[in-house]
Amino acid sequence: LAKTTQPISMDSYEGQEVNITCSHNNIATNDYITWYQQFPSQGPRFIIQGYKTKVTNEVASLFIPADRKSSTLSLPRVSLSDTAVYYCLVGPYSGAGSYQLTFGKGTKLSVIP
Amino acid sequence: NAGVTQTPKFQVLKTGQSMTLQCAQDMNHEYMSWYRQDPGMGLRLIHYSVGAGITDQGEVPNGYNVSRSTTEDFPLRLLSAAPSQTSVYFCASSYSRGRGGNYGYTFGSGTRLTVV
Repeated sequence: LAKTTQPISMDSYEGQEVNITCSHNNIATNDYITWYQQFPSQGPRFIIQGYKTKVTNEVASLFIPADRKSSTLSLPRVSLSDTAVYYCLVGPYSGAGSYQLTFGKGTKLSVIP
Repeated sequence: NAGVTQTPKFQVLKTGQSMTLQCAQDMNHEYMSWYRQDPGMGLRLIHYSVGAGITDQGEVPNGYNVSRSTTEDFPLRLLSAAPSQTSVYFCASSYSRGRGGNYGYTFGSGTRLTVV
């Protein structure tokens, strides 16, 4: 499974757009990029997944450049409730390996009033 | 639709005791997994299952057993509790293939276990 590198922590003011970048230089052809959010004392929650270019849902956007060696999770106009740890995962979606999610330490986002 | 249900939410054990953490899902997911999360750390995979009757070890399986007799249930057994097993345990489930665009895992709310 490809190793990922993301910032340990980030601070942002309410109402700002937050971009969290994840590096995955060894991403394989059949790997997908998935982001999870974890609030204190809760299990992680799936946010978004993509393979290439841009994916957007009601929660976030995911930008993936053509070489796919990095990805950026974009949270529009964050609020205090977005304070959480965000994990970037890379691995094959289906087939062998997709059930072995590998979580790093994630990025702790603190939203400041 | 309850999702993934874990019981108990909290548990204190004495060293050497055994117990079973329960996990049930009602989404007809094929994949189920158990993770542990220690303070300030990411999640580490203990055991996983790709379907009823099929289980395999993850990154940190020692001291734990699992079985999957039904699609819905995936209990985790601690054979002889040790202080090193003090952690928060999460159960997760997923379809084996994406449906409706959601490819992610659904996690339970966790069991906080303390071994003294």
